[in-house]
Amino acid sequence: EVQLVESGGGLVQPGGSLRLSCAASMFSFSTFWMSWVRQAPGKGLEWVANIKQDGSEKYYVDSVKGRFTISRDNAKNSLYLQMNSLRAEDTAVYYCARWAGRTKDFDNWGQGTLVTVSS
Amino acid sequence: DVVMTQSPLSLPVTLGQPASISCRSSQSLVYSDGNTYLNWFQQRPGQSPRRLIYKVSNRDSGVPDRFSGSGSGTDFTLKISRVEAEDVGVYYCMQGIHWPPTFGGGTKVEIE
Repeated sequence: EVQLVESGGGLVQPGGSLRLSCAASMFSFSTFWMSWVRQAPGKGLEWVANIKQDGSEKYYVDSVKGRFTISRDNAKNSLYLQMNSLRAEDTAVYYCARWAGRTKDFDNWGQGTLVTVSS
Repeated sequence: DVVMTQSPLSLPVTLGQPASISCRSSQSLVYSDGNTYLNWFQQRPGQSPRRLIYKVSNRDSGVPDRFSGSGSGTDFTLKISRVEAEDVGVYYCMQGIHWPPTFGGGTKVEIE
């Protein structure tokens, strides 16, 4: 069974930084695109970023471009999201998700990690 | 961006009765390969989302057959033939062929 375990969330002040991690197991991590999807409290789902298998292509939602960086370490089966210049509107649960190219969606999700941006 | 519009926002249902959720996309979800890529996710209270259905009507492994998906082009439906207590939660439709991937606003299914 595919496992995705996020970590690194917490409380941070506006303008601060945080780095999220996602540990993947039970599948061939290096052969899949990976994603971050977030959910603000009581709200719906919003795709945040995608990264290609070898890290050569990265895509972001407009609201985080220039502030967030997605990366991966295939040797460690890990996905990351470096979040800088955080704003109150970035407050959300951040999910690590596997992008399924064949079905063009997210076929497996982690349990999520909560990021709270507040002074 | 492609807008995914779901209705209703809230769906009170009686146990054992059917339920139906509508999803409409602002652009066709028919891809160049001829397939239609519309997916449904379930999010139970306090849990992460789980995919139920992919490519309009294909159930994921372990998804009960009381869940079914249908539709074409820009109009899609998720049906639950007989609602059970474990079906309570929020359901989202999602498209991934037009960048960026976008979700519907969600439909909350609750037992009345």
